[in-house]
Amino acid sequence: KAGVTQTPRYLIKTRGQQVTLSCSPISGHRSVSWYQQTPGQGLQFLFEYFSETQRNKGNFPGRFSGRQFSNSRSEMNVSTLELGDSALYLCASSTFSGQGPSGANVLTFGAGSRLTVL
Amino acid sequence: QKEVEQNSGPLSVPEGAIASLNCTYSDRGSQSFFWYRQYSGKSPELIMFIYSNGDKEDGRFTAQLNKASQYVSLLIRDSQPSDSATYLCAVKGAGNNRKLIWGLGTSLAVNP
Repeated sequence: KAGVTQTPRYLIKTRGQQVTLSCSPISGHRSVSWYQQTPGQGLQFLFEYFSETQRNKGNFPGRFSGRQFSNSRSEMNVSTLELGDSALYLCASSTFSGQGPSGANVLTFGAGSRLTVL
Repeated sequence: QKEVEQNSGPLSVPEGAIASLNCTYSDRGSQSFFWYRQYSGKSPELIMFIYSNGDKEDGRFTAQLNKASQYVSLLIRDSQPSDSATYLCAVKGAGNNRKLIWGLGTSLAVNP
């Protein structure tokens, strides 16, 4: 069973540019979450999608956006990049539907996309 | 006070010893608790999770919850050098659609 696939793995951008990151979840997983990870802030939740609907959103500015397609693949976009956006962006998929036991959302992470903003 | 707190470490233990990692949380209504391991340069992977109704043991790993004091611990018995990693604690509140709150992680070093 293929894991969570994120592309690209590494990218370098300059301030003011925009970037789009892609995530293909495990087959059958309909929930996709995005995280930003930096050494000082740890894992910061960006947003979660389920069946093409954004279900939860973290405390990030509107420059960060995302979407999910009908095949559960997800993209996130960051516009007007800032130096502080340099981070590892992780995508995680799960089968969690929002119903049933609250602990059901076990996450499987992709390898991440490492973004460097110069 | 952060919602989920972990001692950043590094926690250093000799090979074969028991490593004890702790995580405190502020939401008394939290219902499920997760431990993930992250090797340097890799993404987090789930070790185990427990609900608020009990502890769990899986091989060398045991997760224990102390609801009164609002902390969850991960015990690693017979620690191996391959256990050297950062251990992340995540907590989810009650009800549906509650997002996970993550600690910053504890770095563990198991010395041969």
